[in-house]
Amino acid sequence: QLQLQESGPGLVKPSETLSLTCTVSGGSINNMNSYWAWIRQSPGEGLEWIGSIHYRGSAYYHPSLKSRVTISVDTSKNQFSLNVTSLTAADTAVYYCARPKEPSLPWFAFDVWGRGRMVSVSS
Amino acid sequence: EIVMTQSPDTMSVSPGERVTLSCRASQSVYSNLAWYQQKPGQAPRLLIYGASTRATGIPARFSGSGSGTEFTLTINSLQSEDFAVYYCQQYKNWLRAFGQGTKVEIK
Repeated sequence: QLQLQESGPGLVKPSETLSLTCTVSGGSINNMNSYWAWIRQSPGEGLEWIGSIHYRGSAYYHPSLKSRVTISVDTSKNQFSLNVTSLTAADTAVYYCARPKEPSLPWFAFDVWGRGRMVSVSS
Repeated sequence: EIVMTQSPDTMSVSPGERVTLSCRASQSVYSNLAWYQQKPGQAPRLLIYGASTRATGIPARFSGSGSGTEFTLTINSLQSEDFAVYYCQQYKNWLRAFGQGTKVEIK
């Protein structure tokens, strides 16, 4: 059974960079022709797709976040990661990693989710 | 940009009742519509995709309908475990994909 687990800091300072990792278990990223996504949820903005990456490296980002976001994949560790730069309080949210129901599409309904990582941006 | 609007924001319902939740898109998303259930402290759980196809393991009391701009999630005979927030998501494109949610609470 495919499972995802987010990890990373729960508190980061404004203007700094957030780095989160999603560890995939129950399958190898290399063996799945799949996109992997990051989604966040905040009280102000609700659920918001951040971006998706294919295990071969092609990535798509939400236009409003594209200048600050990088998603990468490490197949040797069966992980993919999210970096968000120039953080502000508006980036405070629960960050989820997820996989689309149709894995070959970067944007679809998401049927596998991690439990989420709460990230607060505060000095 | 497609805007997804759910109604109502909150519903107070008794167990055993039938519930109908609405989701409206500002422009056609065809059948590219999913429904999720979210309980406190948990990730969203996919219920319906393709507007009307139940995801794996979802009970038959959950059903989805609609296409274009008007969509409905129906829960027949609401169970205690169904009290939660429900979100719709369009996946025609990735801008403003999710609705704001409808909270189904115990009456």
